[in-house]
Amino acid sequence: AQSVTQLGSHVSVSEGALVLLRCNYSSSVPPYLFWYVQYPNQGLQLLLKYTSAATLVKGINGFEAEFKKSETSFHLTKPSAHMSDAAEYFCAVSDQNTGGFKTIFGAGTRLFVKA
Amino acid sequence: DVKVTQSSRYLVKRTGEKVFLECVQDMDHENMFWYRQDPGLGLRLIYFSYDVKMKEKGDIPEGYSVSREKKERFSLILESASTNQTSMYLCASTLAATTGELFFGEGSRLTVL
Repeated sequence: AQSVTQLGSHVSVSEGALVLLRCNYSSSVPPYLFWYVQYPNQGLQLLLKYTSAATLVKGINGFEAEFKKSETSFHLTKPSAHMSDAAEYFCAVSDQNTGGFKTIFGAGTRLFVKA
Repeated sequence: DVKVTQSSRYLVKRTGEKVFLECVQDMDHENMFWYRQDPGLGLRLIYFSYDVKMKEKGDIPEGYSVSREKKERFSLILESASTNQTSMYLCASTLAATTGELFFGEGSRLTVL
């Protein structure tokens, strides 16, 4: 069975500081891994995805994530936070054998950005 | 621009009412999903469909049913709404045989009084 753990339900950073949102996954088969972002009162949109190509994945809005198989991690980073990054972020894992059918989401991390 | 549209953004219903949540996608996707989102629990899958008239239970199907009469439309039905179904409901779609990237609607926030 697959699972996702996001460390920290809330993260607060100052504008211009490094953003680090942590995600660990469990999967018995090669996974697809995703980060989605949700702005207030909106649905989720894809930030980036890992699909077994490059382990360092670049996404939209300056975010990137690194797949580390040995650590079963897929942490999301951004070098310099902007006020517009304030949102909720979800890490998700999908089984390469089932596509989107069995996407498992983490509980989410709400990012606050202080001026 | 690809789009998943949920017909109602905000609904308030009474306990025992029948509730319909509609979702339409214009991307010709085979697979469609209904999720429920609650604080601290992330997204939980209610039902999904991989073809017209096909449906599969997700992780929390109790109290819900679905209908998919056309490829672009996937409806979630609460036969008799209860207060513990107060939540945000998210519809999503994806192409078959892909990496599983999900395209989401903007959500329907349901309050059951």
